[in-house]
Amino acid sequence: SAVISQKPSRDICQRGTSLTIQCQVDSQVTMMFWYRQQPGQSLTLIATANQGSEATYESGFVIDKFPISRPNLTFSTLTVSNMSPEDSSIYLCSVRGGSNQPQHFGDGTRLSIL
Amino acid sequence: KNEVEQSPQNLTAQEGEFITINCSYSVGISALHWLQQHPGGGIVSLFMLSSGKKKHGRLIATINIQEKHSSLHITASHPRDSAVYICAGYSGGGADGLTFGKGTHLIIQP
Repeated sequence: SAVISQKPSRDICQRGTSLTIQCQVDSQVTMMFWYRQQPGQSLTLIATANQGSEATYESGFVIDKFPISRPNLTFSTLTVSNMSPEDSSIYLCSVRGGSNQPQHFGDGTRLSIL
Repeated sequence: KNEVEQSPQNLTAQEGEFITINCSYSVGISALHWLQQHPGGGIVSLFMLSSGKKKHGRLIATINIQEKHSSLHITASHPRDSAVYICAGYSGGGADGLTFGKGTHLIIQP
């Protein structure tokens, strides 16, 4: 199974600032996703990171707030922009080899906004 | 709309007990993922199954397609099994094709 390295593992940020989260996979993967998990809640899909093109965002998430890059098949970044306390969550990178394949997750980034 | 229901929401047991977590799902879901989330937030994929039974160490996952029901069993439970267990149904629809249950918070006491 794919090994996913996500950085940073946690951060405490000031309101109004931005943070970029990195996701590195040890092998080329077709599908890469970013999720948010708010306190006490289940996972919510933010977007699908598309290699070499703009990410595909789910309803309620926009590029200006959560810009995503995916320059190749092993790496992606998610930026949380102009942060507010409501953005305090765990952000998770996830990959899958194909449509009906097991999905694997990174260790997550626990983000707190003061 | 795909749905996944997990039970129980919270479970506390003594070390050594046999643990069962249940997951029911709606029509349209063709496979089930069982995930384990540790207190730090990281998620480990335990099983993906669309029929029958899978076993890995002390963990066993079963699925009954006719009843649209899956169970995760832990034998000889240990405090290190304490985590949130999440079932996620795969339907192929939507971007990631997954519908997540709300999770079962398991605590194994020594």
